[in-house]
Amino acid sequence: NAGVTQTPKFRVLKTGQSMTLLCAQDMNHEYMYWYRQDPGMGLRLIHYSVGEGTTAKGEVPDGYNVSRLKKQNFLLGLESAAPSQTSVYFCASSYPSGYEQYFGPGTRLTVT
Amino acid sequence: DQQVKQNSPSLSVQEGRISILNCDYTNSMFDYFLWYKKYPAEGPTFLISISSIKDKNEDGRFTVFLNKSAKHLSLHIVPSQPGDSAVYFCAASAAGNQFYFGTGTSLTVIP
Repeated sequence: NAGVTQTPKFRVLKTGQSMTLLCAQDMNHEYMYWYRQDPGMGLRLIHYSVGEGTTAKGEVPDGYNVSRLKKQNFLLGLESAAPSQTSVYFCASSYPSGYEQYFGPGTRLTVT
Repeated sequence: DQQVKQNSPSLSVQEGRISILNCDYTNSMFDYFLWYKKYPAEGPTFLISISSIKDKNEDGRFTVFLNKSAKHLSLHIVPSQPGDSAVYFCAASAAGNQFYFGTGTSLTVIP
């Protein structure tokens, strides 16, 4: 099992460009999450999904969109990147009511 | 406003001694708490959890204590080993959908 994988691992964007981060899990988990980690801020929830076709906002959703068209995939989109979105992004997944989350290795995004 | 706080950014402990990592929270609705461990360039990995109906949970060298009246939890690692050197995050949830993480404590275990 690969667990939770994230693509790409690194990316540099210019302000105003768009991109999509892909998260895939092979554990048949219902719940999936996107977090960002910034120095001194810990991990903050951007969006999450409790099942295929459903998404919900987390703590810091502004500037991001998500889609969960397939159970195993959760996409995070930046339509117009800003320097404030420079961060490390982590995807996670879990069973329903399974509070333990399994995290991917992260994507380091720099917006110049 | 940070609902989960880890006020010690770093901690150094001698190998074999006890490591105590602390976490405070403000939301009295939180009913489930977790600790994660993170190595550089990797995602966090689950370590141990505790529900609000308990005040202690043990798993090998790791014990988590919960003091609901003080809104405080702590992670004890005994004995500490060099491989325990990592960043530790506490996280809390009310009803299980959204988790709020602390800012992390970097633990260094000195051989």
